[in-house]
Amino acid sequence: NAGVMQNPRHLVRRRGQEARLRCSPMKGHSHVYWYRQLPEEGLKFMVYLQKENIIDESGMPKERFSAEFPKEGPSILRIQQVVRGDSAAYFCASSGTGDHQETQYFGPGTRLLVL
Amino acid sequence: QKEVEQDPGPLSVPEGAIVSLNCTYSNSAFQYFMWYRQYSRKGPELLMYTYSSGNKEDGRFTAQVDKSSKYISLFIRDSQPSDSATYLCAMSARGGRRALTFGSGTRLQVQP
Repeated sequence: NAGVMQNPRHLVRRRGQEARLRCSPMKGHSHVYWYRQLPEEGLKFMVYLQKENIIDESGMPKERFSAEFPKEGPSILRIQQVVRGDSAAYFCASSGTGDHQETQYFGPGTRLLVL
Repeated sequence: QKEVEQDPGPLSVPEGAIVSLNCTYSNSAFQYFMWYRQYSRKGPELLMYTYSSGNKEDGRFTAQVDKSSKYISLFIRDSQPSDSATYLCAMSARGGRRALTFGSGTRLQVQP
């Protein structure tokens, strides 16, 4: 039973380039969450998606960041025109339905470094 | 003031000690409480999940929630060097919004 998968695990971009981070939820899970972890800080919520719908994007920066979870394929977090302050670990989590729908399981993360 | 406060540590204990980790929170809407363990440069791993007030035990781990005091705890009995990690508390409110709000994490070092 595969867990949450994220790729790439490490990503290096120069300022101004685009970064695309991918997340495949656990089998049977249809809820995906993205979090960002800056050095020496806790995880900060960014966005919550279900298939083809953004449910809550209250933690997403208004500029340059977007997320999608298409009917087929992984969820994608896209960062356009990256800046050095975007350097962080980005974690995806997924959850199912029913009694433990609040329980989120995390992937290994993508570490983004902006040069 | 942060919604969730957690002492960053580091907390250093000898092997076999009982470890107590704590978080306080300010948002009375929080109903679901979790503890995650995160090893260096890895993703958070769910340890304990509790709903509302009370205790929950799983092996060497016990989670306590006191909603009246807005205080949650994680106890680790017979701590092992392999327990050395950062422990994150997390919580969420009931309803459509299911974003987790995390504490900043407590770094634990168990000395052999």
